[in-house]
Amino acid sequence: NAGVTQTPKFRVLKTGQSMTLLCAQDMNHEYMYWYRQDPGMGLRLIHYSVGEGTTAKGEVPDGYNVSRLKKQNFLLGLESAAPSQTSVYFCASWTREQGAGGNTIYFGEGSWLTVV
Amino acid sequence: AQKITQTQPGMFVQEKEAVTLDCTYDTSDPSYGLFWYKQPSSGEMIFLIYQGSYDQQNATEGRYSLNFQKARKSANLVISASQLGDSAMYFCAMRGSTGGGNKLTFGTGTQLKVEL
Repeated sequence: NAGVTQTPKFRVLKTGQSMTLLCAQDMNHEYMYWYRQDPGMGLRLIHYSVGEGTTAKGEVPDGYNVSRLKKQNFLLGLESAAPSQTSVYFCASWTREQGAGGNTIYFGEGSWLTVV
Repeated sequence: AQKITQTQPGMFVQEKEAVTLDCTYDTSDPSYGLFWYKQPSSGEMIFLIYQGSYDQQNATEGRYSLNFQKARKSANLVISASQLGDSAMYFCAMRGSTGGGNKLTFGTGTQLKVEL
């Protein structure tokens, strides 16, 4: 998906290690989201942001922290990775300024994280 | 709180036939948007169709149409003339509008398999 870039795309971590996932969008979107996807559970919201400098908890925030220091970047941090955090992580963004028919929410391509 | 329910974990359809994927939702927001996304085995999230809660007509995009029944709180996706390439996971999602920061909530998905 042009416009939303996630890095890294793949990562293997040992239990207890820390890491940061970066989501970058170049569309000047004010809303950004981090989801995790697990088999049979759909996409579950971890944290989200409605603008630069603001963040809020989603459905499954425990074990994660986020920051939105710049409008275009939304960082997801794992301070002490656990095997239960093995998942595929998706970032998404959108803007309220879209006109009729322009309600597309843009997704990154996903980041596959394995914690061993 | 908002919730999306997809009760069909898996569906089969013959090529060239039409198929309906069910989605019901629950929200107290006066205004909301409903989305369908397709996720092929490669993992990316592909936007299919959007329906606003105040839209008078059901949304259509090519072979996709959204059967929106507001009183029943349902937003079923209809795919006409199924193709082998339609085999994928399909997610229904809803974006609210009030103090929840326009959270985007997903259902658990329906795995569609198109057969010859």
